[in-house]
Amino acid sequence: NAGVMQNPRHLVRRRGQEARLRCSPMKGHSHVYWYRQLPEEGLKFMVYLQKENIIDESGMPKERFSAEFPKEGPSILRIQQVVRGDSAAYFCASSPRRGGGDTEAFFGQGTRLTVV
Amino acid sequence: AQKVTQAQTEISVVEKEDVTLDCVYETRDTTYYLFWYKQPPSGELVFLIRRNSFDEQNEISGRYSWNFQKSTSSFNFTITASQVVDSAVYFCALSLTFNKFYFGSGTKLNVKP
Repeated sequence: NAGVMQNPRHLVRRRGQEARLRCSPMKGHSHVYWYRQLPEEGLKFMVYLQKENIIDESGMPKERFSAEFPKEGPSILRIQQVVRGDSAAYFCASSPRRGGGDTEAFFGQGTRLTVV
Repeated sequence: AQKVTQAQTEISVVEKEDVTLDCVYETRDTTYYLFWYKQPPSGELVFLIRRNSFDEQNEISGRYSWNFQKSTSSFNFTITASQVVDSAVYFCALSLTFNKFYFGSGTKLNVKP
């Protein structure tokens, strides 16, 4: 049973380019969460998605960032026109259901985005 | 509002020493969950423990133990007889619902041989 798979593990983009980060949840999981970890900081919640729905995007920057979790395929976090401040590690987590914190979320290994 | 504070930015110990990592949380909800995660230099997040707000029993798992005290809103983590492999950043986190975590800023633990 494969864990949460994120790719790429490392991504380098020039300022102004688009970054696409992919997250394949664990088998049977239909809930996906994205977190961002800036250098030397803890993880910050960005968005919670269920298949084809955004449930909570309270942590998403208002511009340039978007996320989707289509019926088929991985969840995608898209960052348009990247800037140096977007350099961070982006983690995806998945869970089998919407529960309280009693439903364990499994984290992927993260995608490290570097904007040059 | 929810908040998790890990006041210790970095701790250095010598192997075999015991070390306690502090975690203080804030929430007005009566139902919540507390977590500890380990982030080794390779970068992934390793789940260590989950505790719900109704269970104040301390827990021990091998060299790891956790002390949950609602009276002081603390959920401290102790490593007994530390080893070099314990070197990592440790995060405490709080969750109320649907796995929306509030993470502390982390404590970097350096265990020297």
